[in-house]
Amino acid sequence: QKEVEQNSGPLSVPEGAIASLNCTYSDRGSQSFFWYRQYSGKSPELIMFIYSNGDKEDGRFTAQLNKASQYVSLLIRDSQPSDSATYLCAVNDGGFKTIFGAGTRLFVKA
Amino acid sequence: GAVVSQHPSWVICKSGTSVKIECRSLDFQATTMFWYRQFPKQSLMLMATSNEGSKATYEQGVEKDKFLINHASLTLSTLTVTSAHPEDSSFYICSARGQAGNYNEQFFGPGTRLTVL
Repeated sequence: QKEVEQNSGPLSVPEGAIASLNCTYSDRGSQSFFWYRQYSGKSPELIMFIYSNGDKEDGRFTAQLNKASQYVSLLIRDSQPSDSATYLCAVNDGGFKTIFGAGTRLFVKA
Repeated sequence: GAVVSQHPSWVICKSGTSVKIECRSLDFQATTMFWYRQFPKQSLMLMATSNEGSKATYEQGVEKDKFLINHASLTLSTLTVTSAHPEDSSFYICSARGQAGNYNEQFFGPGTRLTVL
């Protein structure tokens, strides 16, 4: 059973701080890794993807991948109240199915 | 690019009726579409995966005769909830994957909120 694990949270950070979201996965054959953001009552929105070890930066977001340790993380710099949402980690092995984690709820306090 | 639409965005129906939800990829061809259900404050639950022109693959515990999925073209998949009951009330979300993106990204539709009275 392939699994993607995330801490459900809530993770609470003050405005302007760095929010760090973590995810581990069980399938060593995983190839593509995604972070989705889901606001309450809305559907998930893709914010980042990463496929090679290391860091990938896009604006205030940085995705980090460590395949040896089987973890992927998302850093949000200068967190804003509008970043408050549930963040879903997703992992694909190159096949049809992408496995989603249950999500981490993030609260950014003004 | 990579826009997925769903229709309707919300629907209220009486118990025992059937409801059809459409999912369309607007600017790319979706070889694979996924249907999810999400109850309040819970995580996404994959219901089924469908590939264009073939029968859907349902996840364990999902009744295929109750949740009919049709993926007739590369841009359209439909989910029909047959004989809906109040416990079917949920947020139904489709996603599509295909000739968009580079790494098997799934693009989600905006979701359909179903309320069964």
